[in-house]
Amino acid sequence: SQTIHQWPATLVQPVGSPLSLECTVEGTSNPNLYWYRQAAGRGLQLLFYSVGIGQISSEVPQNLSASRPQDRQFILSSKKLLLSDSGFYLCAWSGVTASPLHFGNGTRLTVT
Amino acid sequence: AQKITQTQPGMFVQEKEAVTLDCTYDTSDQSYGLFWYKQPSSGEMIFLIYQGSYDEQNATEGRYSLNFQKARKSANLVISASQLGDSAMYFCAMREGAGYGKLTFGQGTILTVHP
Repeated sequence: SQTIHQWPATLVQPVGSPLSLECTVEGTSNPNLYWYRQAAGRGLQLLFYSVGIGQISSEVPQNLSASRPQDRQFILSSKKLLLSDSGFYLCAWSGVTASPLHFGNGTRLTVT
Repeated sequence: AQKITQTQPGMFVQEKEAVTLDCTYDTSDQSYGLFWYKQPSSGEMIFLIYQGSYDEQNATEGRYSLNFQKARKSANLVISASQLGDSAMYFCAMREGAGYGKLTFGQGTILTVHP
């Protein structure tokens, strides 16, 4: 069966520090991969998605970037965090177009 | 314009009763899919139910059913026989056309089930 791993679960980082969140998927090949962000008590905002290795589409201009160095690995990065980058970050994967998104457990990021 | 609108910030229901969570959507695509997710306080996103735009029957999954009214562009979630464990945030989401699988989410509805 397919599983998705996302880490760390929580992270507290100072303003101006770098960020690297990692997500890996097991049990499937060539998944579509996504990074979403959720502000407190709000809906999910799509940040990036990827349909293959090295293929990244950005949905919103921001302080973050994403990379997909391997088929089942998706990384969210920042060179210098801002206070506004605080939030709950969720990685997800999907198969064929009609299939639902399957989410990781999320990373709660607090920028201080 | 909002693609997905959930007008109920919060809903309350008595245990064992049914509850309907509203969702309206906006798209000009003929082919699209509608999803409902549950998010407990732990934060994980749990997929509940899916309805395709060409599906003629309303989707059902156990105690969850989707009341799909295409002309009204609504896709309400009905939870029957509510349980205390149903207390959570519920999100409606849409995938448009090919969309590379990406979903657009509504703002969510917090459901509280009272004993």
